[in-house]
Amino acid sequence: NAGVTQTPKFQVLKTGQSMTLQCAQDMNHEYMSWYRQDPGMGLRLIHYSVGAGITDQGEVPNGYNVSRSTTEDFPLRLLSAAPSQTSVYFCASSYGIQNEQYFGPGTRLTVT
Amino acid sequence: AQKVTQAQTEISVVEKEDVTLDCVYETRDTTYYLFWYKQPPSGELVFLIRRNSFDEQNEISGRYSWNFQKSTSSFNFTITASQVVDSAVYFCALSEAQGGSEKLVFGKGTKLTVNP
Repeated sequence: NAGVTQTPKFQVLKTGQSMTLQCAQDMNHEYMSWYRQDPGMGLRLIHYSVGAGITDQGEVPNGYNVSRSTTEDFPLRLLSAAPSQTSVYFCASSYGIQNEQYFGPGTRLTVT
Repeated sequence: AQKVTQAQTEISVVEKEDVTLDCVYETRDTTYYLFWYKQPPSGELVFLIRRNSFDEQNEISGRYSWNFQKSTSSFNFTITASQVVDSAVYFCALSEAQGGSEKLVFGKGTKLTVNP
């Protein structure tokens, strides 16, 4: 089992560029989510999905899009990158919100 | 809305001291789940424990113990005889089971430094 994988590990973008952060899991988990981690702010939920075809917003969804076409994949799209989106992004998956979350290794994104 | 407060931003102790990390939560649900995660300097997030709202028994796992008190809405974490390897950021988190919310909310974390 690879667990939760995220690509890329590091990324530098210019303001206004778009990109997709990839997240995949091989544990057949229904629940997947994206968090961003900023110094002193903890982990804040961006978007989540309770199953293929179902997504919903978290605390800080603005500037991000998600889709869930398969159980395994949950990509996060930045539509027009801004310096405020400089952060470390974590993807997580689990059997449900009441269960332990399995986190990916994170993507460190810098927007200049 | 659910909320988790970790009032201690940073704690520094000397090896072998005991240390308690505080976690206070807010929820309107009667069924909810509490978690602790550890983030060592390498950056990964490691699950430590899960507790549901109906189980107020304290838990001990080696040098780690957790005290869950519904009366004070707290879920505190104690490390006994701390070691340098315990240095990390520790997060408390809360999820609700009712009301249609499928969100896991984290506190801002407590950075623990254990000095030799």
